Amino acid sequence: GQQVMQIPQYQHVQEGEDFTTYCNSSTTLSNIQWYKQRPGGHPVFLIQLVKSGEVKKQKRLTFQFGEAKKNSSLHITATQTTDVGTYFCAEEYGNKLVFGAGTILRVKS
Amino acid sequence: GAGVSQTPSNKVTEKGKYVELRCDPISGHTALYWYRQSLGQGPEFLIYFQGTGAADDSGLPNDRFFAVRPEGSVSTLKIQRTERGDSAVYLCASSFDGNTEAFFGQGTRLTVV
Repeated sequence: GQQVMQIPQYQHVQEGEDFTTYCNSSTTLSNIQWYKQRPGGHPVFLIQLVKSGEVKKQKRLTFQFGEAKKNSSLHITATQTTDVGTYFCAEEYGNKLVFGAGTILRVKS
Repeated sequence: GAGVSQTPSNKVTEKGKYVELRCDPISGHTALYWYRQSLGQGPEFLIYFQGTGAADDSGLPNDRFFAVRPEGSVSTLKIQRTERGDSAVYLCASSFDGNTEAFFGQGTRLTVV
């Protein structure tokens, strides 16, 4: 079935370092959503990207949607311990959101 | 309510038993989703309701799983003859119309022993 591939699976960074997670699809996406899930918590919506080449920023987070609408990235500048969690991309496929496997981010202080 | 509410938060049941998991979506949200999440995995789609009807139940793993939303608000996920492999966190989410962001509940952690 339809799925998005996310890399890396896991990243452990020193506080203050940057972090990026990538989401790739073999087909053109109508849009892509990003969610964050803290350890023991539930997924929380971060943003939705719709337009080809779109770039959106939320404080230290930068989200990009590829020109071909087949890939997306989330970049965190100068990570903090509060950034710890799993970051998921999700694509709309018919009536449902299909989630990637997520990237686990750990931050060493 | 202020957010999506799921009850119970934890459920331990014996293999072969029947369980019901409840989801109370955000008031006014017509779209409701059930997902299942196993440790280290992303949420796996189970079923989507638009109003009272199941618009897409393609994610239900087999006929032991069933969900209802009789009045277009609260939904119940029902699992018959539970198996140990059903153990997971069951997440419910709602959105205003199915085209906007989804708000997730805290989930029900189901453990089948």
